[in-house]
Amino acid sequence: EPEVTQTPSHQVTQMGQEVILRCVPISNHLYFYWYRQILGQKVEFLVSFYNNEISEKSEIFDDQFSVERPDGSNFTLKIRSTKLEDSAMYFCASTRNRNEKLFFGSGTQLSVL
Amino acid sequence: GENVEQHPSTLSVQEGDSAVIKCTYSDSASNYFPWYKQELGKGPQLIIDIRSNVGEKKDQRIAVTLNKTAKHFSLHITETQPEDSAVYFCAAKNYGGSQGNLIFGKGTKLSVKP
Repeated sequence: EPEVTQTPSHQVTQMGQEVILRCVPISNHLYFYWYRQILGQKVEFLVSFYNNEISEKSEIFDDQFSVERPDGSNFTLKIRSTKLEDSAMYFCASTRNRNEKLFFGSGTQLSVL
Repeated sequence: GENVEQHPSTLSVQEGDSAVIKCTYSDSASNYFPWYKQELGKGPQLIIDIRSNVGEKKDQRIAVTLNKTAKHFSLHITETQPEDSAVYFCAAKNYGGSQGNLIFGKGTKLSVKP
């Protein structure tokens, strides 16, 4: 069964450093998402991406965050200058149609020290 | 915006018993309610979903019920097995609305004891 893959599975970084989280969505999917989950809290929507542009974003997704689809397969989340509170599990998700089921990757655990 | 509350946060049952997890939502425009299962080290996996035009849906040992008037929906797992142990998330979404994103509950950690 096709799946969303994310790399790395764990990322440790120093506060203030830039990180890039990578995702390979399912190949025929057109809508891409990033969610995050702070330990013990809800899974929260960050941003959705379609047709090479952001279609929606939450208030969490401030100027420190950016997304990109640099080629036909990868979808990346960049955090420009990490803060302690950015420590969380980040999930990438994709769907073929925005009204269809969402498929999630296994996540990247980001730890900001 | 939408807010989804989920209870309980932890649930422990004996193998073979039933487990029920409940969620409430705030936005009456929400019309799609999926349930995700998250096993350790993995991402959320969709296990069942329901749209607002039906009140109940069943898939083998798993069922979901929806009460639109009260704005709550529940996951029912019968004849639980140890492999059902995981964190379960409910979510809500307004299909066709301007917001395409899912709003999740906080999760329920289910433990099935052999």
